Amino acid sequence: GDSVTQMEGPVTLSEEAFLTINCTYTATGYPSLFWYVQYPGEGLQLLLKATKADDKGSNKGFEATYRKETTSFHLEKGSVQVSDSAVYFCALSDRSNDYKLSFGAGTTVTVRA
Amino acid sequence: EAQVTQNPRYLITVTGKKLTVTCSQNMNHEYMSWYRQDPGLGLRQIYYSMNVEVTDKGDVPEGYKVSRKEKRNFPLILESPSPNQTSLYFCASSLGQGANSPLHFGNGTRLTVT
Repeated sequence: GDSVTQMEGPVTLSEEAFLTINCTYTATGYPSLFWYVQYPGEGLQLLLKATKADDKGSNKGFEATYRKETTSFHLEKGSVQVSDSAVYFCALSDRSNDYKLSFGAGTTVTVRA
Repeated sequence: EAQVTQNPRYLITVTGKKLTVTCSQNMNHEYMSWYRQDPGLGLRQIYYSMNVEVTDKGDVPEGYKVSRKEKRNFPLILESPSPNQTSLYFCASSLGQGANSPLHFGNGTRLTVT
């Protein structure tokens, strides 16, 4: 079945540091890929998405590129802020069942001032 | 304000005592779903509904029931809760299917079963 593997956390950074969270996937079809973010005490929110190979999703300074050849969708941000402290989830939906999202385990990121 | 509302936010109960977690959305979304979040496992889908009176099992449906009698509501029912159902539960909804219909999540219900 479809699955998503994320780098394990927690990740602790200083403000203005570079952040990267690795995500790789296994899918039988041609999935759409997502990053969701969960701030403390809240539900998940869509951060960015990509629907085909080489697409780059971007939002709030975060970027991720859909790499079909390496089945990866790594999340990056060049200069993090304390407000970026959250749990980040990589997810995919297979075209055969767009209603079903498969999530990674989540990566907790803490940014210190 | 467009939102998904879950109640209660926190719930402590005992084994075997039936409970219901409510979920309501005000966005006229067709699709609704329940997830549970456990450390190291991410989110796992329990049940989903593509429209009124249409529900289907997700990855971990055992021990749960759902109903979709109205478009806006999708309650999660635990007929006989057990300690392994202690978890953080999220309800989510979307307008349709596919990457152009992102999920909107509620703020979660933290359930403890003793």
